[in-house]
Amino acid sequence: EVQLVESGGGLVQPGGSLRLSCAAYGFTFSSFSMHWVRQVPGKGLESVSAISGNGDNTYYANSVRGRFIISRDNSKNTLYLQMGGLSAEDMAVYYCAREWPPGSNDHWGQGTLVTVSS
Amino acid sequence: DVVMTQSPLSLPVTLGQPASISCRSSQILVFSDGNTYLNWFQQRPGQSPRRLIYGVSNRDSGVPDRFSGSGSGPDFTLKISRVEAEDVGVYYCMQGTHWPWTFGQGTKVEIK
Repeated sequence: EVQLVESGGGLVQPGGSLRLSCAAYGFTFSSFSMHWVRQVPGKGLESVSAISGNGDNTYYANSVRGRFIISRDNSKNTLYLQMGGLSAEDMAVYYCAREWPPGSNDHWGQGTLVTVSS
Repeated sequence: DVVMTQSPLSLPVTLGQPASISCRSSQILVFSDGNTYLNWFQQRPGQSPRRLIYGVSNRDSGVPDRFSGSGSGPDFTLKISRVEAEDVGVYYCMQGTHWPWTFGQGTKVEIK
């Protein structure tokens, strides 16, 4: 069974940094592109970043480019999102999601909440 | 970025009656490989999004056949043939053709 488990969320001060992790189970992790999608509680969904299966290709939304870095460790079946320069606009639940087939996300994690406040 | 516009944003429905949600894209969603990457997701209260439809009309495994997707650029539709209580939630269309992938604003389905 495919399972995605996010962790690393929490309270961080404005301007601070945080690293999110997403542990993957039940599939050949390196064969799939992976995504981070965020959602302000009670609001809509926003694609944040994506990475190809081998990690060679990365993609970012304009709102996070230059502040966030997506990466993966295929030996550990884990996806990461290093977030920096955090502001109130980054407060959201962050989901990791698998891409399959191309152009779609079939499995999502339960999400991890990032709160930015002093 | 591609703007996905859903309507209506709120949809009160009587149990057993049909429901329809529209989604319009601001750009053509046909990828260079000829495929149209238009998806529909359901998000029940307190849960993560769940994919219902991918590639315009392909229903995911385990999704009841009362859900169907159709359309071609720029207009797409999600239909529920007979709404059940478990269908309450917010429905999103999403395009996966152009990066960044973008979602509609969401349509809240509730029971009258």
